[in-house]
Amino acid sequence: EPEVTQTPSHQVTQMGQEVILRCVPISNHLYFYWYRQILGQKVEFLVSFYNNEISEKSEIFDDQFSVERPDGSNFTLKIRSTKLEDSAMYFCASKQDTGELFFGEGSRLTVL
Amino acid sequence: SQQGEEDPQALSIQEGENATMNCSYKTSINNLQWYRQNSGRGLVHLILIRSNEREKHSGRLRVTLDTSKKSSSLLITASRAADTASYFCATGVNFQKLVFGTGTRLLVSP
Repeated sequence: EPEVTQTPSHQVTQMGQEVILRCVPISNHLYFYWYRQILGQKVEFLVSFYNNEISEKSEIFDDQFSVERPDGSNFTLKIRSTKLEDSAMYFCASKQDTGELFFGEGSRLTVL
Repeated sequence: SQQGEEDPQALSIQEGENATMNCSYKTSINNLQWYRQNSGRGLVHLILIRSNEREKHSGRLRVTLDTSKKSSSLLITASRAADTASYFCATGVNFQKLVFGTGTRLLVSP
């Protein structure tokens, strides 16, 4: 069964460092998303991406964040200068054109 | 905010019992979805109900939607220990993004 894959599963970084989280969405999907979940809290929308551009972003997705789909298969989230409060589980998701989102297993980011 | 709010926040039942979780939201939607999350894992889609539907079934799951009250419920019948997880409702306005609620932690004891 096709699935969304994310790497790394866990990354530990120092405050101020750049981090890139990678995702391979399901191949025939058209819409791509990043969500994050701070430990014990709700799942928060960060950004949606369609037709090679950002279609919507939340207030959380400030200038420190960027997304790219560099090669037609990978979908990356970059955090330029990490802060302590960026520590969270980051989920990539994709969908075709129906409402159902398919999520990856997440990348746990720990900022020290 | 379009955010869904689930209640209860936590629910503890015995195997074989039914579990009911409720979700309320604030703005108009065109679909509402329920997801399940095992601890530390990704979210798994359970069921989608559109705004023009009132009830939907999938296996042991039954979802209702009342758009006049801006609320939905998820019923899991004959629960099993393997149903232990967090359950989230998510509302969609235009199929572009989903806004997730705060979740219900369900514990099913053998």
